[in-house]
Amino acid sequence: DAGVIQSPRHEVTEMGQEVTLRCKPISGHDYLFWYRQTMMRGLELLIYFNNNVPIDDSGMPEDRFSAKMPNASFSTLKIQPSEPRDSAVYFCASSWGQVGQPQHFGDGTRLSIL
Amino acid sequence: AQSVTQLDSQVPVFEEAPVELRCNYSSSVSVYLFWYVQYPNQGLQLLLKYLSGSTLVKGINGFEAEFNKSQTSFHLRKPSVHISDTAEYFCAVSDFQGAQKLVFGQGTRLTINP
Repeated sequence: DAGVIQSPRHEVTEMGQEVTLRCKPISGHDYLFWYRQTMMRGLELLIYFNNNVPIDDSGMPEDRFSAKMPNASFSTLKIQPSEPRDSAVYFCASSWGQVGQPQHFGDGTRLSIL
Repeated sequence: AQSVTQLDSQVPVFEEAPVELRCNYSSSVSVYLFWYVQYPNQGLQLLLKYLSGSTLVKGINGFEAEFNKSQTSFHLRKPSVHISDTAEYFCAVSDFQGAQKLVFGQGTRLTINP
């Protein structure tokens, strides 16, 4: 079975540019999560969706960040404009909405903002 | 709100030696507990989980963890480690109400020396 698929795996861009990260969750999963991982702050939950609806976006750092889930098989995380401090590894994860079900992670997008 | 503290940021051990990675949590309600492993350049994978019942939980790759409610701990153990266990390990907690939202610890980097 295919796992969570993220693209691109690596992104290098200049400050001020728009960045779009993509995620395809596991088919049938009804929860989708976006995380950011840095050495300084560890693993942070940015936002999560249930049945394509954003439930909690309290982890989104500022208005430059936005996330959408137009359908059950696709989500995007967008940064506009990007800044060097946004450099991190961004993970997408998905899960079933039942008690105790684990989250399944993608391999991440390594983002570098120059 | 919950929080998770992983008491050691780095743990070096020799191959075939036993290892314990410590995790303490804080929560005002009952919780579910998880251990995840992250190999280099990959996303997180579930090692094991505690939902209820027996306080000793067995996971993949020979790992086990013990839930101790009075000490609010969920330490991870393996009796004999292998070079391939070199990775970062994350403890995570979710409560019964927000069961799909995880709070992660800062991670423990396990290094196995030959």
